[in-house]
Amino acid sequence: KNEVEQSPQNLTAQEGEFITINCSYSVGISALHWLQQHPGGGIVSLFMLSSGKKKHGRLIATINIQEKHSSLHITASHPRDSAVYICAVGAYSGGGADGLTFGKGTHLIIQP
Amino acid sequence: GAGVSQSPRYKVAKRGQDVALRCDPISGHVSLFWYQQALGQGPEFLTYFQNEAQLDKSGLPSDRFFAERPEGSVSTLKIQRTQQEDSAVYLCASSLWRAGELFFGEGSRLTVL
Repeated sequence: KNEVEQSPQNLTAQEGEFITINCSYSVGISALHWLQQHPGGGIVSLFMLSSGKKKHGRLIATINIQEKHSSLHITASHPRDSAVYICAVGAYSGGGADGLTFGKGTHLIIQP
Repeated sequence: GAGVSQSPRYKVAKRGQDVALRCDPISGHVSLFWYQQALGQGPEFLTYFQNEAQLDKSGLPSDRFFAERPEGSVSTLKIQRTQQEDSAVYLCASSLWRAGELFFGEGSRLTVL
């Protein structure tokens, strides 16, 4: 079973700061997902990546397959970015789902 | 519909009651996943369907948990004789194919008293 570790667990920053959230996993994967969950709300998929780097607006996700590590960056952070950010990895081998293995999430608060 | 729809959004059950949680995935999505999310934790995999076939149910915590997707679209997660430890948010997600981008529902928050 893949072990997924996220850091930091909690992060409070000021508006405008550059934010980095890290994710490491123990077993080789087919894809890594970065998800966003607002309090009381559902989960939104931000990125799905298997190599390199992806950018969407102020969000950037990178992955290093050799080091089994991914980072999510938020530039020019804003209070509306406050949410839980979850890293999830999937192996997709065989006929079953293998499920996604989720990290515990990083609670981000951006203060105005 | 436009997204994954789950109902009920909130359910309070007395210990020992049976509950049924519904997931209506995005039309045409082959894969459907159920996850359980305890307070302050990341989601944990419960079960996976490819169309109507339940290909993986290794995450179901006990035989009180049962899921079905008889026509390959709507899915129901049933919990029999609920216990307090079943209290959690139950998330449903669908994707076009097994390893595709996931779309999550808002979740069903179950509280067992």
